[in-house]
Amino acid sequence: EDKVVQSPLSLVVHEGDTVTLNCSYEVTNFRSLLWYKQEKKAPTFLFMLTSSGIEKKSGRLSSILDKKELFSILNITATQTGDSAIYLCASWSSSNTGKLIFGQGTTLQVKP
Amino acid sequence: DGGITQSPKYLFRKEGQNVTLSCEQNLNHDAMYWYRQDPGQGLRLIYYSQIVNDFQKGDIAEGYSVSREKKESFPLTVTSAQKNPTAFYLCASTPDPAFGYTFGSGTRLTVV
Repeated sequence: EDKVVQSPLSLVVHEGDTVTLNCSYEVTNFRSLLWYKQEKKAPTFLFMLTSSGIEKKSGRLSSILDKKELFSILNITATQTGDSAIYLCASWSSSNTGKLIFGQGTTLQVKP
Repeated sequence: DGGITQSPKYLFRKEGQNVTLSCEQNLNHDAMYWYRQDPGQGLRLIYYSQIVNDFQKGDIAEGYSVSREKKESFPLTVTSAQKNPTAFYLCASTPDPAFGYTFGSGTRLTVV
């Protein structure tokens, strides 16, 4: 059965800290891994990773995929209170249905 | 602007009542999805539809029903058979499994 697992489930840091969020996956016929940020309601897309070892970067956020070890990390440097959110990791199901399988999410709280 | 609209944002239901959550998109996406979000459990798939007039059960379909009579609309009915319906419900769509989802802003359902 396809599975995505995130850790930690929650994290509290102070502004300026660097955080690393983890996502491991077990998906047959893996195609890509996605990261979303959910602040209040609708998750918003951050990154899609398909190739191993290539870092995707957007401002203070970056992510990398390791297809051999079946995991991805999301790094946030110089955190700000606006980074407080739930971060979701997901992978496409091995069935050809367009279903995304989500991890439990990591709740990040950044204190001033 | 194109997007997904979910309504209502908040919904209260008495036990034993059916209730319908609306999801409308003007993105011309073929595939639409309903997820349920509970604290600490990430997003779980309820139903999905890859094309109009067709839909399939997801991982937690019991107590829910859907219809897909129009491409732009995918309403979800939470029936009285759903044992624990209090949750945050998210609707999503995608034009192709190669892309990530676009999410609606969600409906928070509370059973009183």
